[in-house]
Amino acid sequence: NAGVTQTPKFQVLKTGQSMTLQCAQDMNHNSMYWYRQDPGMGLRLIYYSASEGTTDKGEVPNGYNVSRLNKREFSLRLESAAPSQTSVYFCASSIGERGNQPQHFGDGTRLSIL
Amino acid sequence: AQRVTQPEKLLSVFKGAPVELKCNYSYSGSPELFWYVQYSRQRLQLLLRHISRESIKGFTADLNKGETSFHLKKPFAQEEDSAMYYCALAEYGQNFVFGPGTRLSVLP
Repeated sequence: NAGVTQTPKFQVLKTGQSMTLQCAQDMNHNSMYWYRQDPGMGLRLIYYSASEGTTDKGEVPNGYNVSRLNKREFSLRLESAAPSQTSVYFCASSIGERGNQPQHFGDGTRLSIL
Repeated sequence: AQRVTQPEKLLSVFKGAPVELKCNYSYSGSPELFWYVQYSRQRLQLLLRHISRESIKGFTADLNKGETSFHLKKPFAQEEDSAMYYCALAEYGQNFVFGPGTRLSVLP
């Protein structure tokens, strides 16, 4: 039981390049989330998916797109990477449809945009 | 709007000393509060939630609705407690709101 798995763990991109961050969970959770973690700002929600087939914007969605491929997988895409998107990205999942259930996190993807 | 504040960016204590990490929130309803811990370069892990009122790794936290606080406490800090601690607020139908985090450094 791996929990939440993110790939890749590290990535360096040049400005303007695109890439997709992958996330998969094996806990049969309904809700999945993408956060970015920046020093002094905690975790900020980029996008979430309350259930399979639905996605919604979070606090900082600009420059990102997501796909809830199935119940297990939730990917985050940067279409044209910018230095401001240098961050650590965390995927999380929870059993409930948003709200007060604990979230389980992946190991994170450390992304640098040059 | 929901908001979570953690006034200390960095808190340093000596091993064996008591530790208190502060968390205040602004929310008019009945939120659920959580503490998450992130050890160096590891994933965030749930430390405790107020509804369960349990003690994990010697840490406790009490929800004080009058002061809108959910401070995390431990009577005797250990070096392995050094980590980043995040307070989070959630309510059914809403997304989590995380505080900015406090880095705890336990000195030998």
